[in-house]
Amino acid sequence: GEDVEQSLFLSVREGDSSVINCTYTDSSSTYLYWYKQEPGAGLQLLTYIFSNMDMKQDQRLTVLLNKKDKHLSLRIADTQTGDSAIYFCAESTTDSWGKLQFGAGTQVVVTP
Amino acid sequence: ETGVTQTPRHLVMGMTNKKSLKCEQHLGHNAMYWYKQSAKKPLELMFVYNFKEQTENNSVPSRFSPECPNSSHLFLHLHTLQPEDSALYLCASSQGGQMGFFGQGTRLTVV
Repeated sequence: GEDVEQSLFLSVREGDSSVINCTYTDSSSTYLYWYKQEPGAGLQLLTYIFSNMDMKQDQRLTVLLNKKDKHLSLRIADTQTGDSAIYFCAESTTDSWGKLQFGAGTQVVVTP
Repeated sequence: ETGVTQTPRHLVMGMTNKKSLKCEQHLGHNAMYWYKQSAKKPLELMFVYNFKEQTENNSVPSRFSPECPNSSHLFLHLHTLQPEDSALYLCASSQGGQMGFFGQGTRLTVV
């Protein structure tokens, strides 16, 4: 089956930029998403990108998509302690609207 | 607040109990989903409903029984669960191809 892979852990100092990486295998992926999960909470959609886009920027968040390499990244500028959470990469295809294939999540820890 | 509400937030049940999880959305979405999040595993899709019809059952054991009486409400009926079923159960909704909205989840513990 299709896989979505992420690194498991990232430590970053407050004020620095964070970059979380994700790779996927399904070349028919149409939507790619980033979700944030804080302890004890559900998933919060942060941003998403269509597969025909290379980049999307939304305030402190920048998503880069390299479709050739099937690589997705999320950059968080000026990382704050409130950004400490687990970040999930997910993808869906035109044949599976709404059925998301998730990565295992990247634990981001922001240190003062 | 995402517009998707799940109750209860926490549930402890014995293996012989019967309980139900509830999810509701007032976003006007036509599809609703149950996902399971276990420790150290990626989120797993369990069930998909489109316009109240079940369109996906991802090889889920029959001790989990979904019900979708209308496009705003989704239930997950639980009976004779096992300890390994302890997990965070997440409900989500979508409209068309854009997925986005998850509830806060129900933390289930089976004892």
